[in-house]
Amino acid sequence: KAGVTQTPRYLIKTRGQQVTLSCSPISGHRSVSWYQQTPGQGLQFLFEYFSETQRNKGNFPGRFSGRQFSNSRSEMNVSTLELGDSALYLCASSPGLDNEQFFGPGTRLTVL
Amino acid sequence: AQSVTQLDSHVSVSEGTPVLLRCNYSSSYSPSLFWYVQHPNKGLQLLLKYTSAATLVKGINGFEAEFKKSETSFHLTKPSAHMSDAAEYFCVVSESNYGQNFVFGPGTRLSVLP
Repeated sequence: KAGVTQTPRYLIKTRGQQVTLSCSPISGHRSVSWYQQTPGQGLQFLFEYFSETQRNKGNFPGRFSGRQFSNSRSEMNVSTLELGDSALYLCASSPGLDNEQFFGPGTRLTVL
Repeated sequence: AQSVTQLDSHVSVSEGTPVLLRCNYSSSYSPSLFWYVQHPNKGLQLLLKYTSAATLVKGINGFEAEFKKSETSFHLTKPSAHMSDAAEYFCVVSESNYGQNFVFGPGTRLSVLP
C-alpha cells in the first residue's frame, strides 16, 4: 500500500501571499489530520477531517483552513502568509478513532 | 484538556546500554498513548501504541513502554541502544471523545555514543 503523500515537498513564498498544500491519504483511510512543526513550538495540531467534515480544530487563526474531498484527499490553505508560518507541515491519515496516524514526509514552507 | 510532558529534552547513552525516555500525560478521559520517532529529514514513524489493552506495550526495533495510570506515565525503554536509534522521540496523547486530536510532547532527542 502506498503511504501518505504530500505535495509539494518544498515551497517558498513571500509575506502576504497565500499557499495551498495537498495530502493524499493511505487508501481506505477516511481521517486526515494536519500538523505544523516548528523548532520553537514543536508539533501542533491544526485540524482533522473525516468524511469531508472538519471534526476537530486546533488553536490556529482563521488564516489556516482546510478541506477534504470525497476521495479523502485533503488540502490546507494559508492566506496572508506571515514570516512565522515558515514550518514543516505534516499530514497524517488514519482509519478512524483510536488508531495510530500515519504521517507523510511533510511540506517545508519558507516565507520570505 | 490533554497535555504531554517529556521530562528530558536530550538523552545521551552509549551503544549497548539501556534507553529510558520519560513521558507524563494529563487527560480528562481514558486516553490512547503513542510513541513516534523522527529521524533527521524523515517523517514520523510509529514505534508503539497503548489503547487500554495490556499495560506493557511492545513496539518495533526492541522498544517497549509501560502505561502506569496511577503515575500518569508512559515511559519508553529499550534494553540495548543501537547507533541507528539516534533520533527525536515524541510521546503523544489522544482523546477520541469526538474526532481524533493528537497532542504531541515537545520531544526528546536521543544521542547514541559509540
